[in-house]
Amino acid sequence: SQKIEQNSEALNIQEGKTATLTCNYTNYSPAYLQWYRQDPGRGPVFLLLIRENEKEKRKERLKVTFDTTLKQSLFHITASQPADSATYLCALPNTGGFKTIFGAGTRLFVKA
Amino acid sequence: EAGVTQFPSHSVIEKGQTVTLRCDPISGHDNLYWYRRVMGKEIKFLLHFVKESKQDESGMPNNRFLAERTGGTYSTLKVQPAELEDSGVYFCASNRGGADTQYFGPGTRLTVL
Repeated sequence: SQKIEQNSEALNIQEGKTATLTCNYTNYSPAYLQWYRQDPGRGPVFLLLIRENEKEKRKERLKVTFDTTLKQSLFHITASQPADSATYLCALPNTGGFKTIFGAGTRLFVKA
Repeated sequence: EAGVTQFPSHSVIEKGQTVTLRCDPISGHDNLYWYRRVMGKEIKFLLHFVKESKQDESGMPNNRFLAERTGGTYSTLKVQPAELEDSGVYFCASNRGGADTQYFGPGTRLTVL
């Protein structure tokens, strides 16, 4: 079955550094991949979508890469700020449907 | 435009009781989805409506869960009777037909004692 793996351990980094989060998936060839941000007590908020024919996508301080051979996506936040502290979720559409499959998320802490 | 809203934000009930969760999607969004996050686990899909029709309800745990979307506007998710394992955060999301990105509501935290 389709499976998404994100590093379950929290990532702690210093303000100003680049945060890199990893999303790996198996048994799957998605047409696109999404990253969401979730703050405590809130619903996920869409950040970026990258399609299978795109290698990289950027939005302000965010960058996403998508390697369909490795079945992996990397999510980068450059010049990180304490306000970037949150849980980041990787999400994929299921094969042939509208269902979205989420990874468990990686908690990011940015220290001032 | 107003975002997806959910009511209530929190609900604490006893095992065996009934609870009804409500979701108001963004106006004009034909697609409406219900998801659930159980403590420590990932967000999991429950079902998908296109307007008032159930497109996919493969994620519904069992027949104690009933979702409706009369008139293709707001949706309700009823749990009857509630069991301890139903505790979690229930999210609703919506989007327009053909869109990839979903807009999520803040969730309803359900605690079954």
